[in-house]
Amino acid sequence: DAGVIQSPRHEVTEMGQEVTLRCKPISGHNSLFWYRQTMMRGLELLIYFNNNVPIDDSGMPEDRFSAKMPNASFSTLKIQPSEPRDSAVYFCASSLSEERQYFGPGTRLTVT
Amino acid sequence: KQEVTQIPAALSVPEGENLVLNCSFTDSAIYNLQWFRQDPGKGLTSLLLIQSSQREQTSGRLNASLDKSSGRSTLYIAASQPGDSATYLCAVNAGNMLTFGGGTRLMVKP
Repeated sequence: DAGVIQSPRHEVTEMGQEVTLRCKPISGHNSLFWYRQTMMRGLELLIYFNNNVPIDDSGMPEDRFSAKMPNASFSTLKIQPSEPRDSAVYFCASSLSEERQYFGPGTRLTVT
Repeated sequence: KQEVTQIPAALSVPEGENLVLNCSFTDSAIYNLQWFRQDPGKGLTSLLLIQSSQREQTSGRLNASLDKSSGRSTLYIAASQPGDSATYLCAVNAGNMLTFGGGTRLMVKP
């Protein structure tokens, strides 16, 4: 298996623009997670899905952030409008139930 | 709310030393605990996963222990090598949600 796939790997955008991050989990995994990593706050869970259903989105910082999982093989994290403080590395991870989580390579987002 | 702390935040050792990284957590109601490695600018690689019913797990030169009642885990690295240089993160799983510690930045000098 190719592992968790994320795109794009790098994104530079201007404040106010819409940003969409994409994730393809490992085939057969039923849980998908979005994390954000910053120097100040470390790694934080934003939202997680189980069987394509959002279970906990308490980590989503503001209404500007939204996530979808239309099917078992694809998820998006959208920021609209983006702000400079959203600059971070965003990771997607997947797992089978409550077992080991496997992380993607991350998307490094820079908002100017 | 679960809080995870890792000590030390940074560690520099000469090659060949055995070393211990520490992780503590505040809520003992966990399913499992994972240790990850992160190289600069890269993603996270899962090293070891310890179920809440287990005391330790081993993989090569790595050994992780778990004392759930006291809220502690340690990652032991034997015979450290320069290639072990990275940030090591522990993460506690409670209800399929990982809470991460701040990490320990390890530098192994040749």
